Amino acid sequence: DAGVIQSPRHEVTEMGQEVTLRCKPISGHDYLFWYRQTMMRGLELLIYFNNNVPIDDSGMPEDRFSAKMPNASFSTLKIQPSEPRDSAVYFCASRDSTGGGYEQYFGPGTRLTVT
Amino acid sequence: AQTVTQSQPEMSVQEAETVTLSCTYDTSENNYYLFWYKQPPSRQMILVIRQEAYKQQNATENRFSVNFQKAAKSFSLKISDSQLGDTAMYFCAFRGGGADGLTFGKGTHLIIQP
Repeated sequence: DAGVIQSPRHEVTEMGQEVTLRCKPISGHDYLFWYRQTMMRGLELLIYFNNNVPIDDSGMPEDRFSAKMPNASFSTLKIQPSEPRDSAVYFCASRDSTGGGYEQYFGPGTRLTVT
Repeated sequence: AQTVTQSQPEMSVQEAETVTLSCTYDTSENNYYLFWYKQPPSRQMILVIRQEAYKQQNATENRFSVNFQKAAKSFSLKISDSQLGDTAMYFCAFRGGGADGLTFGKGTHLIIQP
């Protein structure tokens, strides 16, 4: 089975540009999570969805960040406008609530560099 | 809010040795889940092992085992017969009963020397 798929793997953009990160969760998983990893702050939860509905977005750093999940197989994380401090690795993860183990499966991440 | 602390920023051992990575956490909850994730240089986050707080028996997955001390809020990972491929960052993570997101520690960089 395919794991969590993220695109692009690397993104380099200039300050002020819009950035869109994409995620396809594991088929059948009903939870989707977005995390950000930086050297200073480690791994932080940004937002998560259950059955395509945003449940907790308290980790989203500011209004420049937005996330959507239009269907069960696709989610986006958008940054507009981007700033150098947004440079990080962004992970998407998914989980199956019927499993009972609560483990999350991560995608390969998108390394974002804002110059 | 829960916190997860990994007090060893970096560890280095010889191949075939046994190594233990420490993790402590702070919570007022009784039911929760704990995880260890491995992040090799490829940066892929790989689930190593999980432990349910209501289970007294320590989880084991092949060469990986945990020492879960609920009263002490300690959750250490033991890697037996370490291999070069075990070189990676290891993250301890907590999932509380009332929230679905994971809270991660800062990680331990484990280096297996040949």
